[in-house]
Amino acid sequence: GENVEQHPSTLSVQEGDSAVIKCTYSDSASNYFPWYKQELGKRPQLIIDIRSNVGEKKDQRIAVTLNKTAKHFSLHITETQPEDSAVYFCAATFGNEKLTFGTGTRLTIIP
Amino acid sequence: DAGVIQSPRHEVTEMGQEVTLRCKPISGHDYLFWYRQTMMRGLELLIYFNNNVPIDDSGMPEDRFSAKMPNASFSTLKIQPSEPRDSAVYFCASRGQGKVRHTEAFFGQGTRLTVV
Repeated sequence: GENVEQHPSTLSVQEGDSAVIKCTYSDSASNYFPWYKQELGKRPQLIIDIRSNVGEKKDQRIAVTLNKTAKHFSLHITETQPEDSAVYFCAATFGNEKLTFGTGTRLTIIP
Repeated sequence: DAGVIQSPRHEVTEMGQEVTLRCKPISGHDYLFWYRQTMMRGLELLIYFNNNVPIDDSGMPEDRFSAKMPNASFSTLKIQPSEPRDSAVYFCASRGQGKVRHTEAFFGQGTRLTVV
């Protein structure tokens, strides 16, 4: 069935260093892969997304890569800052509509 | 637009009571999703609607859970009877037309449900 695996579940990074979060998905028909950031007590909000016809996308300090053959995609945050501390969720669409989320990564930036 | 609006923000109820969570999607959005968030399971998709029609309710945990969308601007998620293990944050999300090209899903602020 549909499944999205996300690793690691927690990640601590020194301020200024890079952080990488990885996800794998099960349905080879998936074609849209968003990443959401959720700050404590708040709603998840989209930070970047990638579609299956693209291998990489970048937006300032955030980038996402997609390997369709291996069915995995990753979030890269460079030059991390304290405000990057949050829980990050990857997601994938199955059947062109259903959006299934990974279990989340709690990122802590150490000043 | 005020975004996706959920009510109530917090709900505390006794075991066995009926609980109704409400959601108003963004105007013009034709997809509506209900998610449950817990520490153990993360964000679980419970059910989603397209044009007010339930498309997939395979994530609804038990018959105690039911959801309706009587019109394009309102949806409810009902738990009857409620149990302590239903305690979680329930999110509603909506997104616009995108059968061919996906669009962003916007989340409401969530309802924190505590069943004692």
